[in-house]
Amino acid sequence: GDSVTQMEGPVTLSEEAFLTINCTYTATGYPSLFWYVQYPGEGLQLLLKATKADDKGSNKGFEATYRKETTSFHLEKGSVQVSDSAVYFCALDYSGGYQKVTFGTGTKLQVIP
Amino acid sequence: DTAVSQTPKYLVTQMGNDKSIKCEQNLGHDTMYWYKQDSKKFLKIMFSYNNKELIINETVPNRFSPKSPDKAHLNLHINSLELGDSAVYFCASSQSGPNEQYFGPGTRLTVT
Repeated sequence: GDSVTQMEGPVTLSEEAFLTINCTYTATGYPSLFWYVQYPGEGLQLLLKATKADDKGSNKGFEATYRKETTSFHLEKGSVQVSDSAVYFCALDYSGGYQKVTFGTGTKLQVIP
Repeated sequence: DTAVSQTPKYLVTQMGNDKSIKCEQNLGHDTMYWYKQDSKKFLKIMFSYNNKELIINETVPNRFSPKSPDKAHLNLHINSLELGDSAVYFCASSQSGPNEQYFGPGTRLTVT
């Protein structure tokens, strides 16, 4: 079956540091890939997505590239801010029929001033 | 306007009680979901409805029963609540296909 593996957290960084959160996936077809972010006390919201190999999703300074050869979708940001502190979820949607999104376990990011 | 709303936001109840959580979306989506998030932030899908029809029913105890009166609403009823049911429950919606899901703010259920 489909699965998503994320690096374990928590990840603690100083403000303006470079961020990478690793995500690899296993899928039987050609899924779309997503990063969702969950701020404290809130629901998840879409951060970025990529629908096919070599696509790059980007939003709010975050980027992730769909790498089919390495089955990866790593999240990066060049300079994190305290306001980026949240839990980040990698996810895939293999719409072979009705939608069932597979989420990773989430990675908590804490950015300290 | 709130896209996906849930009520109540907090629910504290005793073991053995029955409770319901309501969800409404005003996005015109045809698919709605219930997720359970535990204290370690692990997110588990419970149910999915497409056009009021049950599509996904993960290995969830029979004490949990979803109901979708129309495409815009998906409610969750829980019978005989147990301590292990304590979690945050999220409702979400999307349009069919590999489209993003829109999540509600969550309902924090505490069973004592």
